Amino acid sequence: DADVTQTPRNRITKTGKRIMLECSQTKGHDRMYWYRQDPGLGLRLIYYSFDVKDINKGEISDGYSVSRQAQAKFSLSLESAIPNQTALYFCATSDEAGGNTGELFFGEGSRLTVL
Amino acid sequence: AQRVTQPEKLLSVFKGAPVELKCNYSYSGSPELFWYVQYSRQRLQLLLRHISRESIKGFTADLNKGETSFHLKKPFAQEEDSAMYYCALRGYSTLTFGKGTMLLVSP
Repeated sequence: DADVTQTPRNRITKTGKRIMLECSQTKGHDRMYWYRQDPGLGLRLIYYSFDVKDINKGEISDGYSVSRQAQAKFSLSLESAIPNQTALYFCATSDEAGGNTGELFFGEGSRLTVL
Repeated sequence: AQRVTQPEKLLSVFKGAPVELKCNYSYSGSPELFWYVQYSRQRLQLLLRHISRESIKGFTADLNKGETSFHLKKPFAQEEDSAMYYCALRGYSTLTFGKGTMLLVSP
């Protein structure tokens, strides 16, 4: 089945370390997103990409960077992790071709803990 | 700016009771509204979208532009409906999610 896969699923790290979360998809979708989920705050958009050459900041991009290595791969980096970046991170994809509405397909999430 | 408000963090009901999860939005244009659901240990997934005017798992939601609301309703809750529910708005190009409402259905 076409899928959205995130690695790692769980990561514990220390303040100041560089962390990369990776997302790959086999859905053939052009659009990819990174959200973070915090209790009581819902999902907030960090970055999104509508194709390989397109990168856009979301609501909370400070402290994060992304790389769209290919249509199927979208990585999120924390250059110097801090404790308030402890959260559950979700990658998602969508297909806008043919006038489809923007249903998002989510990965299983990557739980990051910054000590 | 686009904004989604879900006023209830937690809604607890008994099996068979009616359920209404509230969602209000703020958007200057013509919005697209969605409900997403996250069951325990499952991925976040689309439940329904307003343009389809469909009923999924007994849930319905009507877009009320006058009240800027998109409340999710089900006449008789089931235990398997227990989950986190997110209302989402697609305005310019991306989805904005509300903070979510946890629905707990007790036997």
